[in-house]
Amino acid sequence: QVTLKESGPGILQPSQTLSLTCTFSGFSLSTYGMGVGWIRQPSGKGLEWLANIWWDDDKYYNPSLKNRLTISKDTSNNQAFLKITNVDTADTATYYCARIVSGGDYWGQGVMVTVSS
Amino acid sequence: DIVMTQTPSSQAVSAGEKVTMSCKSSQSLLYSENKKNYLAWYQQKPGQSPKLLISWASTRESGVPDRFIGSGSGTDFTLTISSVQAEDLAVYYCEQYYDTPFTFGSGTKLEIK
Repeated sequence: QVTLKESGPGILQPSQTLSLTCTFSGFSLSTYGMGVGWIRQPSGKGLEWLANIWWDDDKYYNPSLKNRLTISKDTSNNQAFLKITNVDTADTATYYCARIVSGGDYWGQGVMVTVSS
Repeated sequence: DIVMTQTPSSQAVSAGEKVTMSCKSSQSLLYSENKKNYLAWYQQKPGQSPKLLISWASTRESGVPDRFIGSGSGTDFTLTISSVQAEDLAVYYCEQYYDTPFTFGSGTKLEIK
């Protein structure tokens, strides 16, 4: 059974760094073709794909967030991570992680992140 | 970036009716080497995470009712629900995974009359 669960700080202040963790089970990020992606969704709005990391440690970042994103993984502990630097109120959203095989076939429940002073 | 355009933005139908929704991409999602369209459809019910319904434009995921039908190729795609049920109330998103950045359409909100 494939499951993913996101965790994060809940609330942080502008200019801080957001650190998110995706803890998963039922698959391995060392398996050929496997990937994990991060997607976010502001309340009442659409979905935005942020970053992917693949079994071979290849990484992709959405250029719209320029150089603020860093994705990484800990294969031994079945975790993937996303850092977003210099957050502002526009980063307030629910953040999801998803397993990527052909699109995101399994998603976590999401973690709400609020950026507020 | 590949732009995904979904229409309509919302529609209201009665249970039992057939509904179709469109997704158009700004460039072809058909990969010539494997003849696959890199297009997925997701269903997001209120308060829930998105759920993958269809990948490769027309391949229904395991457990997805057969009333959900994906079709199309290249730049024009359609999601059809052959007989809408009350539980199909949701926002439906298409997504291209042909090229990075992966991009989503803005969604079609399905309301049940």
